[in-house]
Amino acid sequence: DIQMTQSPSSLSASVGDRVTITCRASENIRRYLAWYQQKPGKAPKLLIFPASSLQSGVPSRFSGSGSGTDFTLAISSLQPEDFATYHCQQTESAPWTFGQGTRVEIK
Amino acid sequence: EVQLAQSGAEVKKPGESLKITCKGSGYNFTNYWIAWVRQMPGKGLEWMGIIDPGKSETRYSPSYHGRVTISADKSISTASLQWRSLQATDTAIYYCATLGIRGGSYPPFDYWGQGSLVTVSS
Repeated sequence: DIQMTQSPSSLSASVGDRVTITCRASENIRRYLAWYQQKPGKAPKLLIFPASSLQSGVPSRFSGSGSGTDFTLAISSLQPEDFATYHCQQTESAPWTFGQGTRVEIK
Repeated sequence: EVQLAQSGAEVKKPGESLKITCKGSGYNFTNYWIAWVRQMPGKGLEWMGIIDPGKSETRYSPSYHGRVTISADKSISTASLQWRSLQATDTAIYYCATLGIRGGSYPPFDYWGQGSLVTVSS
């Protein structure tokens, strides 16, 4: 199985801050990396796939980058509605594994 | 509008059986695989398995193979996840999600149900 490692597991930030979350795959997944946002009590929402392509309706302050084994999700100017948990997932091969999640909290 | 409507919360005892459901609407149900994902309390997401609703072809994560059964009834656009004998460790939220409605190769899980909370306790 491909292991996905996210860091950090949590972070505290203020509104307006730039935030970056990294996701590392245990083997080459090319660009088949998805990012999801999950708010408390809600289902995950697809933000970015593959790697750097924003899904329709996702604000442009979100961006993704990377290929191969190393990927980054960035939020250029954190907004109140961005406080959530972010998950990465590889879709290169089954079983389609997720990272452990990164919780973004208000400082 | 694509929607996946999941069945409600369940409270069960260890050893009991359970089936939870996921009804798709707003798209051609038989054209897109549906995945099931587990989220234990306060934890991350785990892919359990997928089904092609048109053919009822299934694939399971090795971690869940033999522990759960995924099925689909295309006549009512509904996928199901079932257990024959629940354990306390099955306590979690279970999500269904579609693959590939938004297109592309090696698709992610693009639309999600609201989740079904399953609590197993004696």
